[in-house]
Amino acid sequence: EAGVVQSPRYKIIEKKQPVAFWCNPISGHNTLYWYLQNLGQGPELLIRYENEEAVDDSQLPKDRFSAERLKGVDSTLKIQPAELGDSAVYLCASSPGIPPYQETQYFGPGTRLLVL
Amino acid sequence: KQEVTQIPAALSVPEGENLVLNCSFTDSAIYNLQWFRQDPGKGLTSLLLIQSSQREQTSGRLNASLDKSSGRSTLYIAASQPGDSATYLCAVSGGETSYDKVIFGPGTSLSVIP
Repeated sequence: EAGVVQSPRYKIIEKKQPVAFWCNPISGHNTLYWYLQNLGQGPELLIRYENEEAVDDSQLPKDRFSAERLKGVDSTLKIQPAELGDSAVYLCASSPGIPPYQETQYFGPGTRLLVL
Repeated sequence: KQEVTQIPAALSVPEGENLVLNCSFTDSAIYNLQWFRQDPGKGLTSLLLIQSSQREQTSGRLNASLDKSSGRSTLYIAASQPGDSATYLCAVSGGETSYDKVIFGPGTSLSVIP
């Protein structure tokens, strides 16, 4: 079974430029998560999708971040414009079930973003 | 608001030692607790998941315990090996004000010296 796929793996951009990340979850997984992870810290949720509906985006900085999950499968996360403080690892995860009956989440390798 | 802490932040042990990693959480009304492993530059891999009704889970050399009333979990690693070197994170699901959220701790960076 293929795992969660993310691309690109690394991205270097200048501040004020736009950037987009892509995630393909495990086939059949209903729930998709985007996390932000800073160095030395645990992941922090940005947005959670149940199928194609964004059910928790309370931590997403909506002035510059946007996300979509087309047809309840792949998802993209966009930042426009990027700021220096956005440098971090962006992780995508998926799980077969729907909270609160939480099951194990399966994580992708992440996209490392560096904003210069 | 649920908060998760992990002690120690970093740990270095010689190969073969048994070790314990600690995780604490502030809201005991959780659904489950998971322990993850993260290798440098990689995503997280689930090691053990303990449901709120369980006291412990075991997988190979790993044993995780859960004490909901005191808001604590431990991950015990027996006979540590250099391949165990990684960051270990605990994550809790649920809580009175975050019933559908997963909150991660900051992790413990483990180094097993050959």
